[in-house]
Amino acid sequence: NAGVTQTPKFQVLKTGQSMTLQCAQDMNHEYMSWYRQDPGMGLRLIHYSVGAGITDQGEVPNGYNVSRSTTEDFPLRLLSAAPSQTSVYFCASRRAISGEGYTFGSGTRLTVV
Amino acid sequence: AQSVTQPDIHITVSEGASLELRCNYSYGATPYLFWYVQSPGQGLQLLLKYFSGDTLVQGIKGFEAEFKRSQSSFNLRKPSVHWSDAAEYFCAVGDPTSGNTPLVFGKGTRLSVIA
Repeated sequence: NAGVTQTPKFQVLKTGQSMTLQCAQDMNHEYMSWYRQDPGMGLRLIHYSVGAGITDQGEVPNGYNVSRSTTEDFPLRLLSAAPSQTSVYFCASRRAISGEGYTFGSGTRLTVV
Repeated sequence: AQSVTQPDIHITVSEGASLELRCNYSYGATPYLFWYVQSPGQGLQLLLKYFSGDTLVQGIKGFEAEFKRSQSSFNLRKPSVHWSDAAEYFCAVGDPTSGNTPLVFGKGTRLSVIA
């Protein structure tokens, strides 16, 4: 099925560990983004990309790295996990046309202990 | 920069009652406007969107929203709520001048439905 695939769905990390959250889309969307969702905070943008090789920071980029080597994939890296990064992470994509809505993945629930 | 306010954190309605969820935006001109729904444990699904033209837009699942420029609002409505509508609802704004600008989301309104 066409869409946005996120892996893993659940993850527990120890403080200081690193990991990569995977995001892949098969709709040939140019635009991809990562959000985190925390209770009472809504969705906050971490990083986004308007095409392969192009990334930019969002509202809360600290502690996260991204790269976009292909149109399909947009992984999010946590270099040294902290308890403050406990959250639900969503990847979203869309065509780079003004007004297009996002297609969201089903999320990754991350707990840092 | 654009911003979105959803004044109601949590709303409870009875099944079969009507529903209105509020959304106010801040933007220099008319933005693109969206409503998304998130069922528990799921990602977000697009309900409807407004670009221009008719200010009353119809979406999926029987939802509609009305754009009111004078009030900078884009409220979501449903005439008769079903128990399956219990979810979190997010309003979002987009920049009509650029395809590369991220959407800005409100903090969401959680809808509970009681029998």
